[in-house]
Amino acid sequence: EAQVTQNPRYLITVTGKKLTVTCSQNMNHEYMSWYRQDPGLGLRQIYYSMNVEVTDKGDVPEGYKVSRKEKRNFPLILESPSPNQTSLYFCASSRGWGAMYYEQYFGPGTRLTVT
Amino acid sequence: ELKVEQNPLFLSMQEGKNYTIYCNYSTTSDRLYWYRQDPGKSLESLFVLLSNGAVKQEGRLMASLDTKARLSTLHITAAVHDLSATYFCAVDEGSNYKLTFGKGTLLTVNP
Repeated sequence: EAQVTQNPRYLITVTGKKLTVTCSQNMNHEYMSWYRQDPGLGLRQIYYSMNVEVTDKGDVPEGYKVSRKEKRNFPLILESPSPNQTSLYFCASSRGWGAMYYEQYFGPGTRLTVT
Repeated sequence: ELKVEQNPLFLSMQEGKNYTIYCNYSTTSDRLYWYRQDPGKSLESLFVLLSNGAVKQEGRLMASLDTKARLSTLHITAAVHDLSATYFCAVDEGSNYKLTFGKGTLLTVNP
């Protein structure tokens, strides 16, 4: 089954404790992306990756890091989480991005609370 | 910078009634998407609109796109309780490698 998986699905942590949210897709997609969702703000892109070792900032990258060492995985790293990073996070992937349309597949979401 | 505005943001309606959600965007694009999100869940793709004049229908929902007016509509016909959810429109400019989302419309359908 084609899918995007995220782990963990729920996480409560404390300020400053480094954490990683994993994202994996089994569709051999080149493009992957992270969004955060906050009430009243919709979804905003954090980082995206066009392929292995190719990443770039989205609209709200501050406080986050990503890596793309393998095509299937795109982890989101919070080196020193702060309460304003409490949010619902979604990973997405697609075959590509550009002049053609490619369907976006979203993961199930990770609800992060930073106290 | 692309801006996507949805209205209304909150919509409470009775079963059996019709209503329309509007999605305006600020730059030229012919790729617009509608998603549904149930509380605590991921986004479910409803419609993909890829050209001016595109119209898609699924059950009680119909979406359309007017690229000249930079406007998409999601029309709900004879609403039922199961349609209660948050609906997002999102626009893809093609050149900036992301979807730009509206803030979402929280739809509540009351018996």
